[in-house]
Amino acid sequence: NAGVTQTPKFQVLKTGQSMTLQCAQDMNHNSMYWYRQDPGMGLRLIYYSASEGTTDKGEVPNGYNVSRLNKREFSLRLESAAPSQTSVYFCASRQAQGGNEKLFFGSGTQLSVL
Amino acid sequence: AQSVTQLDSHVSVSEGTPVLLRCNYSSSYSPSLFWYVQHPNKGLQLLLKYTSAATLVKGINGFEAEFKKSETSFHLTKPSAHMSDAAEYFCVVRAPNFNKFYFGSGTKLNVKP
Repeated sequence: NAGVTQTPKFQVLKTGQSMTLQCAQDMNHNSMYWYRQDPGMGLRLIYYSASEGTTDKGEVPNGYNVSRLNKREFSLRLESAAPSQTSVYFCASRQAQGGNEKLFFGSGTQLSVL
Repeated sequence: AQSVTQLDSHVSVSEGTPVLLRCNYSSSYSPSLFWYVQHPNKGLQLLLKYTSAATLVKGINGFEAEFKKSETSFHLTKPSAHMSDAAEYFCVVRAPNFNKFYFGSGTKLNVKP
């Protein structure tokens, strides 16, 4: 039961560097999400994908791009990292069958941009 | 537009006393509402959810929440706090027919022995 798998768990970047956060789910869910968590601000939605082949902006999309590669995988790319992107990033997928709705979360990626 | 406001950033209770974590929501529709818990250095876990069935919702670990439409509230309660309840709690809203989940800013619950 892998659930939602995120890589890497930790990453340190220098300002201006790029990187891609990987996320995969093995539960056949249609919808997937990327959130960032900052102290005192809860989780804020960066991008989401309602189904394979579609993506849409969330609350804080600036500085990020996403790719829904297939039904399993949803990656988040930082093209030119900035210190303001230092955060903990969570990927999630949505179980929507019947009345049993819930989000499944990955274990998070702690990103520091120096 | 949907949003949630968690009225307290920190709540401190003694073990064995009641817990009340407050959440107010704003939604143009009848929303789905959730409470998630995050223990230190752990992922997020669903505590309970409201999806327009019973207004009093029971969750895991003795938690429950009541949906009050007139007050646009979905407060989380537990009759007797346990040390293991110390964590951060998030109220979450989703409008029907929309795929976006909006999180509140979180309430950190401290449980004193």
